[in-house]
Amino acid sequence: AQKITQTQPGMFVQEKEAVTLDCTYDTSDQSYGLFWYKQPSSGEMIFLIYQGSYDEQNATEGRYSLNFQKARKSANLVISASQLGDSAMYFCAMREGNFNKFYFGSGTKLNVKP
Amino acid sequence: GAGVSQTPSNKVTEKGKYVELRCDPISGHTALYWYRQSLGQGPEFLIYFQGTGAADDSGLPNDRFFAVRPEGSVSTLKIQRTERGDSAVYLCASSYPRGHNEQFFGPGTRLTVL
Repeated sequence: AQKITQTQPGMFVQEKEAVTLDCTYDTSDQSYGLFWYKQPSSGEMIFLIYQGSYDEQNATEGRYSLNFQKARKSANLVISASQLGDSAMYFCAMREGNFNKFYFGSGTKLNVKP
Repeated sequence: GAGVSQTPSNKVTEKGKYVELRCDPISGHTALYWYRQSLGQGPEFLIYFQGTGAADDSGLPNDRFFAVRPEGSVSTLKIQRTERGDSAVYLCASSYPRGHNEQFFGPGTRLTVL
């Protein structure tokens, strides 16, 4: 089974609107971490936000927030007030337990329209 | 600069040749990771170093792939008898061993095997 599933290969959003990028994960560990990364066309991977499995509140970082629903094993990324510079690939990732092996999803390509 | 650096940025080689890819992590980061990213896919874990030792090499696809980090800083990923299927972007990331292990990625090396 896939550890990380991102079901939206591509998404469009109008500038200044909010968008949700979906991510579901599969683990039997109680302790894990969830991450979102942005990869612009330049290729660099940019860390956006982190959610620990024991964190009771949803993580937020500026315009990014993570909608963490533990029972459903989902960790959706919400980008508010989209900007043209948000156009990029977005990857969800998970680190299980105390291990340092990271699993990445296949990504969602976000296009922000002016 | 203070970021993760990787050399070369591009490498073109012929099938059957040997290649070395270098990663210079952020100073002070004891954890170092290698990933392979094929076109349209998310990064795929290859190997993780904690200091000088390979703590997890379960992602290396076969014995043609090997990585070293002799002094706990710079790492070299070595690929013997390259095959066309090895063509991909090879990403390196580094992090502190504590906290939530946010990884800082390098720009990658694009390997093309003809």
